[in-house]
Amino acid sequence: QVQLVESGGGLVKPGGSLRLSCAASGFTFSDYYMSWIRQAPGKGLQWVSYISSAGHTIFYADSVKDRFTISRDNARNLLYLQMNSLRAEDTAVYYCVGDSGSYGHWAFDYWGQGTLVTVSP
Amino acid sequence: QSMLTQPPSASGTPGQRVTISCSGTTSNIGSNYVHWYQQLPGTAPELLIYRDNRRPSGVPDRLSGSKSGTSASLAISGLRSDDEADYYCAAWDDSLSGVVFGGGTRLTVL
Repeated sequence: QVQLVESGGGLVKPGGSLRLSCAASGFTFSDYYMSWIRQAPGKGLQWVSYISSAGHTIFYADSVKDRFTISRDNARNLLYLQMNSLRAEDTAVYYCVGDSGSYGHWAFDYWGQGTLVTVSP
Repeated sequence: QSMLTQPPSASGTPGQRVTISCSGTTSNIGSNYVHWYQQLPGTAPELLIYRDNRRPSGVPDRLSGSKSGTSASLAISGLRSDDEADYYCAAWDDSLSGVVFGGGTRLTVL
C-alpha cells in the first residue's frame, strides 16, 4: 500500500537549519507531484512547497520563499525539504503529501503521518 | 498567503444535515477546482471531495460538494458521531502561484 514516512523533525534554535526527508513506497514515486504541507499546533493547514514529478517545476509559499528548498530523488523514492533561517512561526507538524493527478491537480490524495518541527530557544 | 474563509465551527445532531461554507476570490475558487479534506482527531487529513463535487471511492454519498462563483460548500447529511472532525477546503490560487486552504471548520455532533 502507499506509504509516505517523514523523518528529520526535531527541536532547533531560531536561525538554525533542518532537513526533512520523506520516504515513499507502494507507488511509482516518479509519477507523482509532491508537496509539503504544515500544521502549527492547534491551527489549520498551510501549504508550504510543491515539486513536479520530474522536479522541473517548484513553487513555495511566500512565508518560506528564500529560506526553504524542496527537492526529490526519484531513483531513491525520496522527497526533501531543506529549511534554513528557521523562525518560531515555522513550528509545526510537516506533512509529506502526494498528488497522483487522478483527482485533478492540487488534490492531495496521499498524506504521511507528519514530523514535528519545533523552533525554540 | 491568503486563506479561504470558513466558519470556525459547525454542529448538528445525529441524522441532521449540516453545511460548511468556503469563501474565496476570483483567483482561487472562482477559477480553479475546490477540494475538501477531513481531519479526524490526531490523524493526517484525507481527501474527501475533489474537483468541487466528486467523491473518491469509499466516501459515502451522504457527503457532497458544490460551488458557485467564488464560494463552495460541503454538505453532510445523515450526520453521524464519527463525522466529528475538522474540515478544510483548498484551491490553487493563480495570483499567489500556490495552494490556499481555509482556516478549517470543527464539526461537532451533539
